This record gives sequence, C-alpha cells and structure tokens, in this order.
Amino acid sequence: TQLLEQSPQFLSIQEGENLTVYCNSSSVFSSLQWYRQEPGEGPVLLVTVVTGGEVKKLKRLTFQFGDARKDSSLHITAAQPGDTGLYLCAGRPSGTYKYIFGTGTRLKVLA
Amino acid sequence: DTEVTQTPKHLVMGMTNKKSLKCEQHMGHRAMYWYKQKAKKPPELMFVYSYEKLSINESVPSRFSPECPNSSLLNLHLHALQPEDSALYLCASSSQGGGTGKGDTQYFGPGTRLTVL
Repeated sequence: TQLLEQSPQFLSIQEGENLTVYCNSSSVFSSLQWYRQEPGEGPVLLVTVVTGGEVKKLKRLTFQFGDARKDSSLHITAAQPGDTGLYLCAGRPSGTYKYIFGTGTRLKVLA
Repeated sequence: DTEVTQTPKHLVMGMTNKKSLKCEQHMGHRAMYWYKQKAKKPPELMFVYSYEKLSINESVPSRFSPECPNSSLLNLHLHALQPEDSALYLCASSSQGGGTGKGDTQYFGPGTRLTVL
C-alpha cells in the first residue's frame, strides 16, 4: 500500500511565525501536488513539482521536492490568518493515473 | 482556464431517492475522477475514468453508479444511499496527455455537499 504521511497533523501558530509541513513516502512519485482546502470547498491547487530537487516559490510559500522524488515540504514565511486551512499533498506514482493523498495538515493562524 | 464545475452545490436526499451528481470540464482532459471526503479527512478515491472508460473502481458499493457520457462530462448516479454516505463529493480531472493546464496535475471542482436522511 502506497502511503503519504504528512506532519504535523495539526498546527496552531501566531501571525508572523514561520512553519514547515512535511510529506513523506517510501514510494517514488512522477509528480507531487500541494493543495489548500477550505471547509466545504474543493481543494485548490498551490503547486506541482515534477523534478527531483526542484524548489518553487509562490509569494510567501516555498515548495521543495526531494532529490529521490519520495518526499516534499511546504514552508510558509510570516504566516497570516488567511493561510488557515487544510493543506494536502498528493503524489502520482509512475505508471498510474491514480493519485495518492497525504493525511493532511490542519493549519490555524491566529491574529 | 482550469475550471471544473460541479452541480448541485448541495443535495439532501432520502434513502429511497434516486439523484445524480454532475461534473464538467472544458480543459480537454482525458482522465476524470470521483472522490468522497468526510470532514477533516483527505479525499478518498472512488472511480477513475480514462478516455471515457472506467479504469479504476475502488470497491465502491453498487448504490453509486458512475457514468461518463463524453470526454467533458462525468456523472455519479445515487440510489438507495445510507446516512453514512453523507459527505463532500469531489470531481477532478487531469490531462493524461490531453488538453490544457499543468501537466500531470489534478484540478478539482468545488464539490457537492450530500446529506442522506
């Protein structure tokens, strides 16, 4: 069974703090996506990474794909209350169009 | 445009009702997905259609019946559901070599909030 473990599961921080969310697996992925989801809404795509060692930046968010394409991280600088939500990673193993979802990280940023 | 649309937004049905959820994408994507999501959990895959053919059924009960009338549309027919089927139902699409958007990425619709009484 292919699994994507996310850590931490829950995170409550003050506005202005930095944080990192991790997404780890023993499987190799052709690509990995990060999504942010609000309650009752669909996941919204933040980024797709496809190359081992790749780093992508989206304003205050920095995403990294591991060299071996088995893990990824999301770093948020100077978190804001608007960053509150459920963060999900999802990876696509080679040779399949089935995406494996991470266990999710619920972030709350307090003003 | 990377939009996936879903209707209805909310649905309340009794255990004897028959209803359908609809999903549409105009990105030329060749793979479409149905997921079920319970509160505070990640989405769980139900079905995958690739080039309009059902390619993955994750052992979903027969009271859920998917249909892909053409490459842009995906339906989920519901019959004799149970209260435990109440959840957010998400549709997604991915390129699989066709259409627009970032390659190898799933794009999700806004979901249908289903309540079974």
